[in-house]
Amino acid sequence: LAKTTQPISMDSYEGQEVNITCSHNNIATNDYITWYQQFPSQGPRFIIQGYKTKVTNEVASLFIPADRKSSTLSLPRVSLSDTAVYYCLVGDLNSGGYQKVTFGTGTKLQVIP
Amino acid sequence: NAGVMQNPRHLVRRRGQEARLRCSPMKGHSHVYWYRQLPEEGLKFMVYLQKENIIDESGMPKERFSAEFPKEGPSILRIQQVVRGDSAAYFCASSPKRTNSYNEQFFGPGTRLTVL
Repeated sequence: LAKTTQPISMDSYEGQEVNITCSHNNIATNDYITWYQQFPSQGPRFIIQGYKTKVTNEVASLFIPADRKSSTLSLPRVSLSDTAVYYCLVGDLNSGGYQKVTFGTGTKLQVIP
Repeated sequence: NAGVMQNPRHLVRRRGQEARLRCSPMKGHSHVYWYRQLPEEGLKFMVYLQKENIIDESGMPKERFSAEFPKEGPSILRIQQVVRGDSAAYFCASSPKRTNSYNEQFFGPGTRLTVL
């Protein structure tokens, strides 16, 4: 089961780009990298997922180097509403074909006015 | 299309009582996952169920905890003889039919259990 390491917290001003890096040195061949966002008193919400190189959607971009031992979530021009905890997950795709994901402690992003 | 529903949102129990947490997955989803989140910690996997089957309960404490997902009705996480250490937020997630690639999990709002 791949373990992830990410910064405990980050601060950013409104309008800036935020990059959160996650290390997953023991990532397995079948593992996908997924990021979730969690606001206080709410369940996590899927942001983005990737396997290699770069993935972009309307919310964020995900950069994954060739060795896949790390990944970087990029949030463009953050606003106060982006203040949340961001979790990097590496899926453990077992033989049954489902994702038994493990959440770490996440990165608490505080956006400052 | 309604999201994952959990009830109650808040539940208070005294030590020794039973707690029943309910989860209705998104329409068309047949896979349900339960997670527990202690204050200031990440979510920890407890159990994964399909209709009428427990697929993986490796994260579930061996005693006092049980889960089911009947053919009809919501999934139930049951905690018997609750203790203060059971106080946490319990999240349910659902996903659609299993494939060979990753299935995004959709989370409910959680049930916050407080044991007095």
